Amino acid sequence: KQEVTQIPAALSVPEGENLVLNCSFTDSAIYNLQWFRQDPGKGLTSLLLIQSSQREQTSGRLNASLDKSSGRSTLYIAASQPGDSATYLCAVTTHSTGNQFYFGTGTSLTVIP
Amino acid sequence: NAGVMQNPRHLVRRRGQEARLRCSPMKGHSHVYWYRQLPEEGLKFMVYLQKENIIDESGMPKERFSAEFPKEGPSILRIQQVVRGDSAAYFCASSPGGTNTEAFFGQGTRLTVV
Repeated sequence: KQEVTQIPAALSVPEGENLVLNCSFTDSAIYNLQWFRQDPGKGLTSLLLIQSSQREQTSGRLNASLDKSSGRSTLYIAASQPGDSATYLCAVTTHSTGNQFYFGTGTSLTVIP
Repeated sequence: NAGVMQNPRHLVRRRGQEARLRCSPMKGHSHVYWYRQLPEEGLKFMVYLQKENIIDESGMPKERFSAEFPKEGPSILRIQQVVRGDSAAYFCASSPGGTNTEAFFGQGTRLTVV
């Protein structure tokens, strides 16, 4: 069964700092990996989708990488801003379960002005 | 193109009542997924549906819970005889289908059982 782990569980950084969030998964036979952002009491906003054949994706100040063989993904946030404060979730879909997402428990990010 | 629409946003039910949660997928999306997020826990898969078909319901409790996605209209997650433990945020996601397509989530329905 696929297990997704996110480290750290919580992170607090001063504004302007670059930061890295980590995601690891146990079954490397994935279709894709998707990073989401969740604000308190809100839904999930899709940030980046990395297909299994890709190594990384970039959107603005965000860069996500994927290393299938080691079962890891990182989300890099450049020049963090207070508005980046949220919970960041990674989720994978696997060959054995089709389109079902397996979610990590998230990293709660606080960017201090 | 409106996003995934869920309603109601908040729902309060007394123990023993029925809860109906609705999800309208994004235009052009024929695949719908339901997830549950319990307080302080991650999102857990419940059910995956295509129009008029349940594809995977392995995450849904065997009793009291049912889901449908009719040919016309929204997908419905139905919880009969609700109990306090059903209190959670229920999220719906949709995608156009295929194994490498991006999924988009709704704002969720927060169910409180009193």
